[in-house]
Amino acid sequence: QQPVQSPQAVILREGEDAVINCSSSKALYSVHWYRQKHGEAPVFLMILLKGGEQKGHEKISASFNEKKQQSSLYLTASQLSYSGTYFCGTEGRETSGSRLTFGEGTQLTVNP
Amino acid sequence: EAQVTQNPRYLITVTGKKLTVTCSQNMNHEYMSWYRQDPGLGLRQIYYSMNVEVTDKGDVPEGYKVSRKEKRNFPLILESPSPNQTSLYFCASSLSGGNRYGYTFGSGTRLTVV
Repeated sequence: QQPVQSPQAVILREGEDAVINCSSSKALYSVHWYRQKHGEAPVFLMILLKGGEQKGHEKISASFNEKKQQSSLYLTASQLSYSGTYFCGTEGRETSGSRLTFGEGTQLTVNP
Repeated sequence: EAQVTQNPRYLITVTGKKLTVTCSQNMNHEYMSWYRQDPGLGLRQIYYSMNVEVTDKGDVPEGYKVSRKEKRNFPLILESPSPNQTSLYFCASSLSGGNRYGYTFGSGTRLTVV
């Protein structure tokens, strides 16, 4: 089942922070985060494998709350290059690592 | 350069004319997958392959076929394309299954079926 992302879209000024949420109705085994710029392929940002795990990538970090079956992506001090659509990909515990299901995406726009 | 290569990038075809979209990766990845991307629906998995000669259906397999005869190649076959298969298609690969590794995506194939 497709995870639900919120918000669907967000507009920021350069330097502002944003949080993108990803929640699932199923128990999760892993959560992936990707960014896709217009007309390009999705690019891998990070993966979270354990409940409570947090990871960082420059000023972009993420957390995974296994109990709540959700993950959040944190973008700090946003830059113009952060603009794009962010997707979370989740895998339920029943599919043994074979199926990654993506959310509908969150469109992030960073303005000067 | 490590990459996933899809061909063609753009394709316009007519209903019912069989076509193949090729996908090749040079990273010795075991896992490969096909997704289609449609506005408002995100990325939906069509088929995936855990290794050579091992393929299985994703969420939207109807109207598609795949094969994995070699580790590096994973072609997507549309035997009788229909207009509802007009979409942006992405091939992706990962070091192995288990979703412990990130996916590398190809540049995409924009298919229009008229």
